[in-house]
Amino acid sequence: EAQVTQNPRYLITVTGKKLTVTCSQNMNHEYMSWYRQDPGLGLRQIYYSMNVEVTDKGDVPEGYKVSRKEKRNFPLILESPSPNQTSLYFCASSGQGARLAGGGELFFGEGSRLTVL
Amino acid sequence: AQSVTQLGSHVSVSEGALVLLRCNYSSSVPPYLFWYVQYPNQGLQLLLKYTTGATLVKGINGFEAEFKKSETSFHLTKPSAHMSDAAEYFCAVSRSGGYQKVTFGTGTKLQVIP
Repeated sequence: EAQVTQNPRYLITVTGKKLTVTCSQNMNHEYMSWYRQDPGLGLRQIYYSMNVEVTDKGDVPEGYKVSRKEKRNFPLILESPSPNQTSLYFCASSGQGARLAGGGELFFGEGSRLTVL
Repeated sequence: AQSVTQLGSHVSVSEGALVLLRCNYSSSVPPYLFWYVQYPNQGLQLLLKYTTGATLVKGINGFEAEFKKSETSFHLTKPSAHMSDAAEYFCAVSRSGGYQKVTFGTGTKLQVIP
């Protein structure tokens, strides 16, 4: 089954304790992206990746890191989480990246709800 | 720069009534436009999209949207609401001729009243 898998789905942590949210897709997609969803703000892009070893900042990258060492994985790293990073996080992928310049459908994971105390 | 405005964070309709969710966009180049739906505790899934061609786009579950360039709008409609349509709906824009950056609206929660 084609899917985007995120882990963990739920996490409560404390300020400053490094954490990683994993994202994996099995559709051989080139493009992957991380979003955070906050009430009244919709989805805001954190980072995206056009392909292996190619990543770039989205609209709200502060406090986050990413890496893309393999095509299928795109982990989101919070080096020193703070309470303002409490949010619902979504990973998404698309098979139509730079070549088709934006017309592709995004496939989303089920989300990771993070609480930073 | 591109942006999306969704009018109404909450919309309530009676079962069987028309659903109309409003979306206006801003883009300096011809846009690609999308509607995504998010059911409770799930990720987003694509309802429909406009890239080029016919301006009236049909999607899944009986939804459709019309791209109106003169009004910079991409409103989502469904003739008859069903209880299962209760969800949050997001309009999104990306731009043609460039890298794939998708900008989402703030979402509209649809409530369907029996």
